[in-house]
Amino acid sequence: AQSVTQLGSHVSVSEGALVLLRCNYSSSVPPYLFWYVQYPNQGLQLLLKYTTGATLVKGINGFEAEFKKSETSFHLTKPSAHMSDAAEYFCAVSFDKVIFGPGTSLSVIP
Amino acid sequence: EPEVTQTPSHQVTQMGQEVILRCVPISNHLYFYWYRQILGQKVEFLVSFYNNEISEKSEIFDDQFSVERPDGSNFTLKIRSTKLEDSAMYFCASSEVGTHGYTFGSGTRLTVV
Repeated sequence: AQSVTQLGSHVSVSEGALVLLRCNYSSSVPPYLFWYVQYPNQGLQLLLKYTTGATLVKGINGFEAEFKKSETSFHLTKPSAHMSDAAEYFCAVSFDKVIFGPGTSLSVIP
Repeated sequence: EPEVTQTPSHQVTQMGQEVILRCVPISNHLYFYWYRQILGQKVEFLVSFYNNEISEKSEIFDDQFSVERPDGSNFTLKIRSTKLEDSAMYFCASSEVGTHGYTFGSGTRLTVV
């Protein structure tokens, strides 16, 4: 069965610091992988996705993620955090449907 | 950028009443989905719909729930006899082919009082 884990339900970083949000998945074969962002009281916005090909995927707002098959990971990074990055981030995996991880709330400290 | 549109954005209903949440998927998409997010919790899969029938449903999607594509554009989720625990954000999504990435709507916040 597919599952997604996100280490750290809450992450705080200083403005300008590196953002690292961790995601690991459990699957017998490499799935499609996604990161979604949810701003307060808003819907889900796709940040980036991995389907096939290059394992380093670039998304919107300066975020990127790297698919590492050997580690079954798809961690999300951004070199320099902005205040506007404060939101809930969901990692997701799919075969026949998308399954979401529990989410990580990112706070950015001025 | 094509969008998935959900209406209403917020609905308040009394316990025991029926509600219908509406979604207009992207026009050339063939797969449709409903997800639920209880406040502060994860986003949970409810149901997928393809070729005018349910292709998969979760254990949450019991007889209280139903989905329909009444015409060529709308995709609805009906919740019969709502309970307090049905209060949540409900997201509709659609995809063109398979699961290379859904496009989600902005959600309907359902509050059962």
